[in-house]
Amino acid sequence: AQSVTQLGSHVSVSEGALVLLRCNYSSSVPPYLFWYVQYPNQGLQLLLKYTSAATLVKGINGFEAEFKKSETSFHLTKPSAHMSDAAEYFCAVMVRERDDKIIFGKGTRLHILP
Amino acid sequence: EAGVTQFPSHSVIEKGQTVTLRCDPISGHDNLYWYRRVMGKEIKFLLHFVKESKQDESGMPNNRFLAERTGGTYSTLKVQPAELEDSGVYFCASSHGGRRAFFGQGTRLTVV
Repeated sequence: AQSVTQLGSHVSVSEGALVLLRCNYSSSVPPYLFWYVQYPNQGLQLLLKYTSAATLVKGINGFEAEFKKSETSFHLTKPSAHMSDAAEYFCAVMVRERDDKIIFGKGTRLHILP
Repeated sequence: EAGVTQFPSHSVIEKGQTVTLRCDPISGHDNLYWYRRVMGKEIKFLLHFVKESKQDESGMPNNRFLAERTGGTYSTLKVQPAELEDSGVYFCASSHGGRRAFFGQGTRLTVV
């Protein structure tokens, strides 16, 4: 069975500081991994996706994530936080089978301090 | 290209009433998924349609929930009768050929 653990339900960083949101996964087979973001009063938006190509994946809005098989991790980073990054972020896993369901983590709410 | 559309955006109903949520997937997407997020918890899978067939309904909480996708286009999720613990945000997503899933904005259901 697949699962995702996000460390920290709330993370606060200062504007301009590094953003690091942690995600560890469990999967019996090589997974697809995702980060989604939900801005206030909006739906879920895909930030980036790992599908077995490059282990460092670049997404939208300056975010990137690195797949580390040895650590079963897929942490999300951004070098310099912006006020507009305040949102809730979800790490997710999908088994590499066609059309399988996505399993989400509990989410991490990112707060940006001025 | 139109995205995944969900109706209504918000619904407040009394315990024991019936509510029907609707999801219009992206045109041509055979896969349609329903998810739910109860306050403070993770987004949980409810079920998966491939065209009009239920591929996986392992996440449906109980028989008060009924999902349909007549004709393989839009889908409805009916809750009857609604209970307080059904409150949450219901998301719909669609995809084509196992590629990226697109999510709707969700329906926030409040049962009072």
